[in-house]
Amino acid sequence: SQQGEEDPQALSIQEGENATMNCSYKTSINNLQWYRQNSGRGLVHLILIRSNEREKHSGRLRVTLDTSKKSSSLLITASRAADTASYFCATDPQTGANNLFFGTGTRLTVIP
Amino acid sequence: NAGVTQTPKFQVLKTGQSMTLQCAQDMNHEYMSWYRQDPGMGLRLIHYSVGAGITDQGEVPNGYNVSRSTTEDFPLRLLSAAPSQTSVYFCASSYSPRDNSGNTIYFGEGSWLTVV
Repeated sequence: SQQGEEDPQALSIQEGENATMNCSYKTSINNLQWYRQNSGRGLVHLILIRSNEREKHSGRLRVTLDTSKKSSSLLITASRAADTASYFCATDPQTGANNLFFGTGTRLTVIP
Repeated sequence: NAGVTQTPKFQVLKTGQSMTLQCAQDMNHEYMSWYRQDPGMGLRLIHYSVGAGITDQGEVPNGYNVSRSTTEDFPLRLLSAAPSQTSVYFCASSYSPRDNSGNTIYFGEGSWLTVV
């Protein structure tokens, strides 16, 4: 399987703290993306980082990519209760296929 | 724009029944796909289409059929429902899997299917 794997599977923090989620994958990639899913809803795109980039920021989100270790991390700073959701990484592999491969997700709970 | 619209939201089927999950997008996206989401397993690709008249299999295509007669619509058919097909199904679309901006995917809200 080309699926990525997120770590940890679940994370519970206090509001205001930072949350870090990690993603590991197996194949060479064109880009890696992070998505968010609120309970009972569809996934929403958060940020994309290309294989030639090492770090990217979007508001309170910071994504890093280490292609030598085939890993990425998503940092949410100053977390809010509204950040409670599941977060998925998705890889765009260099296989010529037209698809993204999603990880199993990290369930983040931010306690007010 | 409505984005990606899926129907129905919830459905209960008996084993052996057939049904179609509808998906439509109004963003003129070339690429459309169907995923299923099961607890602890992330999203797995069922079928996808890179344009009208073109479909292909994903990771878990068995038991499902698709067609793409128009750019807007991409229905998913369950031929003979089985309990193993109990899942949440998501339709998704994007401009192109290989455009320069990256293939950001837009998802529908999901269809909860239970096969008894």
